[in-house]
Amino acid sequence: EVQLVESGGGLVKPGKSLRLSCAASGFSFSSYSMNWVRQAAGKGLEWVSSISSSSSYIYYADSVKGRFTISRDNAKNSLFLQINSLRAEDTAVYYCALGEYSSPFDYWGQGTLVTVSS
Amino acid sequence: EIVMTQSPATLSVSPGERATLSCRASQSVSSNLAWYQQKPGQAPRLLIYGASTRATGVPARFSGSGSGTEFTLTISSLQSEDFAVYYCQQYNNRWTFGQGTKVGIK
Repeated sequence: EVQLVESGGGLVKPGKSLRLSCAASGFSFSSYSMNWVRQAAGKGLEWVSSISSSSSYIYYADSVKGRFTISRDNAKNSLFLQINSLRAEDTAVYYCALGEYSSPFDYWGQGTLVTVSS
Repeated sequence: EIVMTQSPATLSVSPGERATLSCRASQSVSSNLAWYQQKPGQAPRLLIYGASTRATGVPARFSGSGSGTEFTLTISSLQSEDFAVYYCQQYNNRWTFGQGTKVGIK
């Protein structure tokens, strides 16, 4: 059974940094691209970033480019999202999701909440 | 960026009735269109991909159609567990989501 478990969220002051993690199990993690999607409270879904299986291809939404860094550790079946210079508008639930380029997102984690507030 | 527009924003339907949700893309996405269902406090769940192919375990009352820029999700006979928010997503050029349609009880 595919399982994706996010962690690392919390209450953070504006301008600070945070690193989100996603632990994957139940599939061959090193063979698949992975993604981050976020959702502000009461709002829709926003794709944030994607990374290919070997980290050769990385994509970011324009709204986060330059502040967010996606990475992965295939030996530890883990996906990461480094968020720098946090802003109030980054407040959201962050989901990791399994899906290749030009494919939908087949599986999602339960999300981790990031709240940016002074 | 491809913009996805869903209509209506809210749909009130009685159990057992048919629900029709629409999704329009700002440019052609071919058949690279997915639908997701999201219930409160839960992650989205993939329902339909390739515009019309049901994901594993999705009941046959869910069907998708369309190609290019116009797409439809139909729920033939709404069950109580189907009241949720539905999102379309294009994956022809990276990924973008529609703003969602909330299907509520009439």
